Amino acid sequence: DAKTTQPTSMDCAEGRAANLPCNHSTISGNEYVYWYRQIHSQGPQYIIHGLKNNETNEMASLIITEDRKSSTLILPHATLRDTAVYYCIAVPHSGTYKYIFGTGTRLKVLA
Amino acid sequence: GAVVSQHPSWVICKSGTSVKIECRSLDFQATTMFWYRQFPKQSLMLMATSNEGSKATYEQGVEKDKFLINHASLTLSTLTVTSAHPEDSSFYICSARDQTSGISYNEQFFGPGTRLTVL
Repeated sequence: DAKTTQPTSMDCAEGRAANLPCNHSTISGNEYVYWYRQIHSQGPQYIIHGLKNNETNEMASLIITEDRKSSTLILPHATLRDTAVYYCIAVPHSGTYKYIFGTGTRLKVLA
Repeated sequence: GAVVSQHPSWVICKSGTSVKIECRSLDFQATTMFWYRQFPKQSLMLMATSNEGSKATYEQGVEKDKFLINHASLTLSTLTVTSAHPEDSSFYICSARDQTSGISYNEQFFGPGTRLTVL
């Protein structure tokens, strides 16, 4: 079973920040939090990942709580092209390295 | 970033025939590739882990005799759906780990997917 839970769907106004939460209360010490997104009928696209520190790249920011039980992906200025399903995944950095996808959050950016 | 391709991008076949889908890592070597299946409006479901030079590891409930996986080189894995039936119609996606860059993180690079329709 997936180790993460996310809201089924969210709307965000174009130009505003989109904050996508993820709960991973059973995450273990060697598991990183990875975020991917999937635009309709395409393969998932990597966004960002982190272990316990907050991370930022050109696409997004990742805020991980101190207890590591939840995280938030922030798209600072959402555009219509950010409309997609966003997946948060807990990934071990040893062993099988398998990704177990949860249901994800369907983000719709509104004009 | 690293690129993974799939071929074909879509295929339509008759019930009872077999279909082969290729997954290639274009600019890196991948000793491990993964195969997923995705039904409409559902999440990706991991089917199997493909290991170069050895047998694939299948997830529980996935029939290994129906979904044949071959990983004969460091850049190519194939998934063959044998004796396909309409219930096998789905979006099949592969991914690969770049294990030659020396970077320890576990990013998987995904292919664009193959849509299989069985009539």
